[in-house]
Amino acid sequence: RKEVEQDPGPFNVPEGATVAFNCTYSNSASQSFFWYRQDCRKEPKLLMSVYSSGNEDGRFTAQLNRASQYISLLIRDSKLSDSATYLCVVSHGDYKLSFGAGTTVTVRA
Amino acid sequence: SAVISQKPSRDICQRGTSLTIQCQVDSQVTMMFWYRQQPGQSLTLIATANQGSEATYESGFVIDKFPISRPNLTFSTLTVSNMSPEDSSIYLCSVRGDGYTFGSGTRLTVV
Repeated sequence: RKEVEQDPGPFNVPEGATVAFNCTYSNSASQSFFWYRQDCRKEPKLLMSVYSSGNEDGRFTAQLNRASQYISLLIRDSKLSDSATYLCVVSHGDYKLSFGAGTTVTVRA
Repeated sequence: SAVISQKPSRDICQRGTSLTIQCQVDSQVTMMFWYRQQPGQSLTLIATANQGSEATYESGFVIDKFPISRPNLTFSTLTVSNMSPEDSSIYLCSVRGDGYTFGSGTRLTVV
């Protein structure tokens, strides 16, 4: 079983729509959680860290469910520029990161 | 957050040759990380490079194939040795800061 699993998508949504997707992790000792965004042929860039209480950054909301070992990302009022692959990233408290394979989102006009 | 300059951005290499990838960071960092991202897949950690000591390699990666240098706190190199087409991938360096920051990647094609 992969350490971090994501629905690969693609999620095709119209502009203005809301899209949400989850990521599950297998290591219950995981301590830090992140969502990264990766555009085609570019490096991953930090979108947001995920905190236990959930957190919001503009149109993006991240939630953590430790009991069920998943994190989620919700994008409201989708923009064309939100089209990207979203990587779920988990850390176990040391410096090592485990990456999901990514969820592809395509926002259409 | 740190700014990383990685080069080359891409290269096409003959099998059996070696390629050295460089990463320069604009600030001093204790650890630098080297990842591989194969086509259609996510990132896999190759090794962690500490200044003044040997790199720590993850399972499935060995120093003879991926030698790493870390001469100071702002610079590291990864060499992909004796390349085969299976080494065709994107290689990225990374440092820890506010989250983790990545270099722009080296897209390697081995023919």
